[in-house]
Amino acid sequence: AQSVAQPEDQVNVAEGNPLTVKCTYSVSGNPYLFWYVQYPNRGLQFLLKYITGDNLVKGSYGFEAEFNKSQTSFHLKKPSALVSDSALYFCAVRAQSGGYNKLIFGAGTRLAVHP
Amino acid sequence: GAVVSQHPSWVICKSGTSVKIECRSLDFQATTMFWYRQFPKQSLMLMATSNEGSKATYEQGVEKDKFLINHASLTLSTLTVTSAHPEDSSFYICSARGRNHEQYFGPGTRLTVT
Repeated sequence: AQSVAQPEDQVNVAEGNPLTVKCTYSVSGNPYLFWYVQYPNRGLQFLLKYITGDNLVKGSYGFEAEFNKSQTSFHLKKPSALVSDSALYFCAVRAQSGGYNKLIFGAGTRLAVHP
Repeated sequence: GAVVSQHPSWVICKSGTSVKIECRSLDFQATTMFWYRQFPKQSLMLMATSNEGSKATYEQGVEKDKFLINHASLTLSTLTVTSAHPEDSSFYICSARGRNHEQYFGPGTRLTVT
């Protein structure tokens, strides 16, 4: 079965420190991986994606993610966290089912950045 | 960048009534639209996928007669919650995918059924 796991419900980090939000996936074939961010009562905003190429993907707002095929992981990272980064983060994988491509989301990880 | 709008952003309705939510792709043509449901502090659950001009494909466990989806044009899809009940209260998010295969999300609609 194709799935995405985000093992941490919440990540706490001090402002200015590096942050990591973990994601592992299970998918048949080559994975198309995505990170989205959601602010309260808002839809999802695209951060970055991995389709092919360099394992380190750079995205919006200073975020980056590292694709690791052997560990089936796609962790989200940022060198220096901001309080404004506090939000809900979703990892997703594109999977094919019933003739359609669709996104399968992880459970989400709440990031709290403290001043 | 590509923008997806939803209307209304929030709605309160009485039990037994129907509610229609609109999803529009404002600056691109959406070949495929998706409807998701999100409960508080939970992830997005895909309800259905629709291509313009054809019937929606519903995920397992989603009642197609209760959640009517119409994808009448390349820029508009609607979700109608028929005979709404309090358990239908949720955050509904639509998403549109363009010809570049990127998927863009709307801001969501919060439905409260009293």
